[in-house]
This record gives sequence, structure tokens and C-alpha cells, in this order.
Amino acid sequence: DAGVTQSPTHLIKTRGQQVTLRCSPKSGHDTVSWYQQALGQGPQFIFQYYEEEERQRGNFPDRFSGHQFPNYSSELNVNALLLGDSALYLCASSLTGGRGELFFGEGSRLTVL
Amino acid sequence: GQNIDQPTEMTATEGAIVQINCTYQTSGFNGLFWYQQHAGEAPTFLSYNVLDGLEEKGRFSSFLSRSKGYSYLLLKELQMKDSASYLCAVRDNDYKLSFGAGTTVTVRA
Repeated sequence: DAGVTQSPTHLIKTRGQQVTLRCSPKSGHDTVSWYQQALGQGPQFIFQYYEEEERQRGNFPDRFSGHQFPNYSSELNVNALLLGDSALYLCASSLTGGRGELFFGEGSRLTVL
Repeated sequence: GQNIDQPTEMTATEGAIVQINCTYQTSGFNGLFWYQQHAGEAPTFLSYNVLDGLEEKGRFSSFLSRSKGYSYLLLKELQMKDSASYLCAVRDNDYKLSFGAGTTVTVRA
């Protein structure tokens, strides 16, 4: 049973570029959440997708957008990259209802130069 | 919104006990989670509290007081492999999970 998988694991971009990060949830999970984690900080909530709709959103600008597909996989897109967007981007999946704990992928490490 | 506070760092000796406190102020409460994160790795689930009281799981225990907005994670019989960051996270009524900044625990021989 595969856990949460993310790609790519590492990537380098320059300011102004755009990036797309991908996530496949744990088998049986229907909800995907995205987090940004700066070095030495806790994960910051970006948004959550359920039934292909954005259900919740944190305090991130519109440059951050996402999508969930019918197979529950998800993408995070960031436009007009800034140096401050350099971080570890974590995808977490969960099953709506019950305890609903998050299962995290290994993350995508983005460096913006 | 959520405001979650926990100490930045703690150091303890192998075999000892360490208690990590977490205080929170939230606009809605639907459970408190503790996660462990080793350097360079993803967070992994440790414990969940939604009712007041103590939840015990092996060497790890977690306590919750909803009226005080307070939780702690207790790590007993510390091992070197327990050196990690420990994240307190609160879920609101819309099922959004917000994290504290994390407590780095260093276990010394």
C-alpha cells in the first residue's frame, strides 16, 4: 500500500517563473492538503481539496493555486515565484470523517534563485 | 484563526522523561494532534486528543485540557532516535489543521 507520493523531490527555479508540484494521496484517502514549511518552522496551511473543490484556504496569495483530479491526486501551482517561496512543500492526505489524521508525503524542496 | 505556542528547544538525557507543552487559542476546536518530524523527513502522526484527559501509546502520552487550551506530549525512556522536532497541531471545526512552530528535542547520551 503506497503512502503519499510527491514529485519532484527537489527543484530549482528563478524569480518570476512558475512551478507545478504533484501529489498522489494514500490509497483510500479522499482529501488532500498542501502545506509550506520554511526551515525551522512548522508547516503553514495553504489549502485543502475535497471532491475536486477547494474546501479551505490559508493566508496565501492568489499566486498559489491548486487542483484535485477525479482520482484524488492533486497539483499545487505557484506563479510569479519570489525568493520567499523557497521552502519545503508538503502534501498530506486524509479520509474525511473519523479521526482524520494527516499522512504526509516526503515533500518537494523548492529553491528560488 | 489559530495561535499555537510551544517551546523552541528542549534537551534531555537518554532514558529520561521530557514533557513538551502546547497552548492554543482557536476560533473552533475539533481535535489536537502531535506529530514527530526528523530532520529532512516528513511529519509522522504520534497522537490525537479530542476529549479531556490522557491518551497513552507506549512510551508516548498526550494530555488535553480544552478549558485551558493546553496540551502536553510526554516522552518516557528517551532514546537517541527520539531526537526530532515535535509539532503540536489543532484542527478547527472546518477540519483545517494548523501547526505550531515545533519543539526541537535533543537527546544526549
